Amino acid sequence: DTGVSQDPRHKITKRGQNVTFRCDPISEHNRLYWYRQTLGQGPEFLTYFQNEAQLEKSRLLSDRFSAERPKGSFSTLEIQRTEQGDSAMYLCASSSGRGNIQYFGAGTRLSVL
Amino acid sequence: EDQVTQSPEALRLQEGESSSLNCSYTVSGLRGLFWYRQDPGKGPEFLFTLYSAGEEKEKERLKATLTKKESFLHITAPKPEDSATYLCAVQETDDKIIFGKGTRLHILP
Repeated sequence: DTGVSQDPRHKITKRGQNVTFRCDPISEHNRLYWYRQTLGQGPEFLTYFQNEAQLEKSRLLSDRFSAERPKGSFSTLEIQRTEQGDSAMYLCASSSGRGNIQYFGAGTRLSVL
Repeated sequence: EDQVTQSPEALRLQEGESSSLNCSYTVSGLRGLFWYRQDPGKGPEFLFTLYSAGEEKEKERLKATLTKKESFLHITAPKPEDSATYLCAVQETDDKIIFGKGTRLHILP
């Protein structure tokens, strides 16, 4: 069990560019979650998957955001036409469903210049 | 209205000085309350989950308790390595959990 892995750890991009982040959950965890965290705040829920099905999306997830989890394994989060307000830490978590204990990755820190 | 409120926002303690962090919640039908520890630049690390009022969990110098409206994280004789942000989260009726803003704890040697 290697834990939740996120890549890249840091991403610097210019406003208007597209970025994609990857999350590899703990093996055999069927649930995968994406959160966004800004300085001084707790993580805010963005979306979650059970296997390959995306079951819920927060209203924070604008049309510029899209997430996928093909084959129910790793997941990607894409942000199109990035804005400075997208600068944040993007966290991924996975869960087996038992007790809904979510285990987090180290996050991807996005800076939009 | 915030559903999860943590207090204080920040706390500075001397090494060995015990204290408690508070997490109050307003969700109905609580299915679980979670405590996480987060170090700077890292993801949250799971500490405890509590499911019903009166339940208590302990791990080293930390003990979490739960009532119908709040949870406490008690820290006994803390050490500098306990310095971190402690996050509380609640699960209501679906699989989503809602986090508070956290308490930044700093233990002075």
